[in-house]
Amino acid sequence: DVKVTQSSRYLVKRTGEKVFLECVQDMDHENMFWYRQDPGLGLRLIYFSYDVKMKEKGDIPEGYSVSREKKERFSLILESASTNQTSMYLCASSSASGLSSYEQYFGPGTRLTVT
Amino acid sequence: DQQVKQNSPSLSVQEGRISILNCDYTNSMFDYFLWYKKYPAEGPTFLISISSIKDKNEDGRFTVFLNKSAKHLSLHIVPSQPGDSAVYFCAAPEGDDKIIFGKGTRLHILP
Repeated sequence: DVKVTQSSRYLVKRTGEKVFLECVQDMDHENMFWYRQDPGLGLRLIYFSYDVKMKEKGDIPEGYSVSREKKERFSLILESASTNQTSMYLCASSSASGLSSYEQYFGPGTRLTVT
Repeated sequence: DQQVKQNSPSLSVQEGRISILNCDYTNSMFDYFLWYKKYPAEGPTFLISISSIKDKNEDGRFTVFLNKSAKHLSLHIVPSQPGDSAVYFCAAPEGDDKIIFGKGTRLHILP
């Protein structure tokens, strides 16, 4: 059974803190993604990676960075958390081959609250 | 500018009836479309897809219709069941690896 896991389901952080969100997949997928989901805005892509040590900016990368040191792990970093980063964060992965690359597998999400 | 649009934020349907969720797109280069389903506190899960060479794809109670000339697709759920209550996202790939999601439609199945 395919699996994408995220380190925390719920997280509360203070403004200015550095926040790490971890994501691990066990499907040997090349591609990994970080999204945030906000009411009325749907899923917005923050960053993605198509290989180890590779990263690409998504639609809303400002205030975020990422790290992919191993194929199975993709970390999202909030360098200095702000209240407008309160959101549901979703990690996903997909294979790099053909149509399979379009079918992304998602983790359960991390609900981050920044106070 | 949104390339994938779901203009109905929510939809309520009686159990047993047909649910129709709509999606419009603006990029005529899109050649593959997907629907994802999301329950609260869970990540989205892939539901069904369709290639632009087809105009219909069916999987059990779920059917997706594609009208390329109108740049419109729809997801039909027949018959609707309580477990179908969720948010449904329409999506289309952009490039090799990224997909663009619509904003989602929340479907409520009424008893």
